[in-house]
Amino acid sequence: GAGVSQSPSNKVTEKGKDVELRCDPISGHTALYWYRQSLGQGLEFLIYFQGNSAPDKSGLPSDRFSAERTGGSVSTLTIQRTQQEDSAVYLCASSFGGTGNEQFFGPGTRLTVL
Amino acid sequence: QKEVEQDPGPLSVPEGAIVSLNCTYSNSAFQYFMWYRQYSRKGPELLMYTYSSGNKEDGRFTAQVDKSSKYISLFIRDSQPSDSATYLCAPMDTGRRALTFGSGTRLQVQP
Repeated sequence: GAGVSQSPSNKVTEKGKDVELRCDPISGHTALYWYRQSLGQGLEFLIYFQGNSAPDKSGLPSDRFSAERTGGSVSTLTIQRTQQEDSAVYLCASSFGGTGNEQFFGPGTRLTVL
Repeated sequence: QKEVEQDPGPLSVPEGAIVSLNCTYSNSAFQYFMWYRQYSRKGPELLMYTYSSGNKEDGRFTAQVDKSSKYISLFIRDSQPSDSATYLCAPMDTGRRALTFGSGTRLQVQP
């Protein structure tokens, strides 16, 4: 595809349920990032994958959050036992990796936890 | 104190005006300085970026970085109603590669 795609575009869930958010990066991009955008906190880094290296998980807010990237392409962000404060737009970005400084963002998944 | 500070606005200007958007930052490790534009309910779109101190021009947009004062600017010349959006500065530490975003400035250009 031409750009980063994310699914679903919207997700409404009940407090305590688990959710999975998916990201398809731009073809050929080796680096993939997850960010979260909320009214109170702005746009915050969550996790970064580069090739086969161990991911940088320094931005994950709690152990309820995890992400994986299979085959160096598609990534899934999982939030377990969702809380109302997890409500936000989750954005995925990709770049060429080691020397690619330009991160291209997807449209985001809007998560609402009731 | 946040690593990147940005005036949230909103900033309202008439069409054709010159717009100045600014950020300050505290982390000396930042080497790349990005500007993103975000329309309502869309993902951020990369406008341009600069490396270290200096200016960079792209059409009606000019990005400026002064590392000595830790000050980042974006100038928009001949602003258009289509420029109405939120503008986010996002410096990057190349060692970490994660972007650190300012809170964003909401700009409205009145026709």
